[in-house]
Amino acid sequence: GAVVSQHPSWVICKSGTSVKIECRSLDFQATTMFWYRQFPKQSLMLMATSNEGSKATYEQGVEKDKFLINHASLTLSTLTVTSAHPEDSSFYICSAQENTEAFFGQGTRLTVV
Amino acid sequence: GDSVTQMEGPVTLSEEAFLTINCTYTATGYPSLFWYVQYPGEGLQLLLKATKADDKGSNKGFEATYRKETTSFHLEKGSVQVSDSAVYFCALSDLGFNKFYFGSGTKLNVKP
Repeated sequence: GAVVSQHPSWVICKSGTSVKIECRSLDFQATTMFWYRQFPKQSLMLMATSNEGSKATYEQGVEKDKFLINHASLTLSTLTVTSAHPEDSSFYICSAQENTEAFFGQGTRLTVV
Repeated sequence: GDSVTQMEGPVTLSEEAFLTINCTYTATGYPSLFWYVQYPGEGLQLLLKATKADDKGSNKGFEATYRKETTSFHLEKGSVQVSDSAVYFCALSDLGFNKFYFGSGTKLNVKP
């Protein structure tokens, strides 16, 4: 099946700094990618829909100025957590759709200290 | 809104034991239902899916039946193996397979 690669797999950063997470579709083009977040013992929650060449669509309650999404090409979407704080520590995962199936990256564990 | 509830883990079983992971859903329309599996260090992988009521999805010995009357999609396997140890996510999606709503995941540990 298709492969979605996410980088980095884990990252530790200091409070107040920004962190960029990349999501790449390796063998297919994705006009739309999705970003999810999971807090411990909770569901994966959709944060935003990333659209190639246009602005991302954010779910209710997600701060668009804090979670910057850029989808500059058909194979790459990035999520930047700006001015990260400990409460942003979470597991972030992206997905892209090919035909009628969604493919997921391996996720990024972000820890803000 | 749409949501998925699945049993909390971890679930610990001995090899060859029977597995059931419960999943129920709430949806306004007619969603498709999925089970995804995540092995350590890897992304979510589609395990099986069902797109309409009474459909049974099956793969690698796992199966789940779309029960509209009970709004359930329980995952079962008759004889688990150590290699089945992973986190299992129940999910639903709209007809376009775009947005997904996930359960919280259930970690399965299978001991030899």
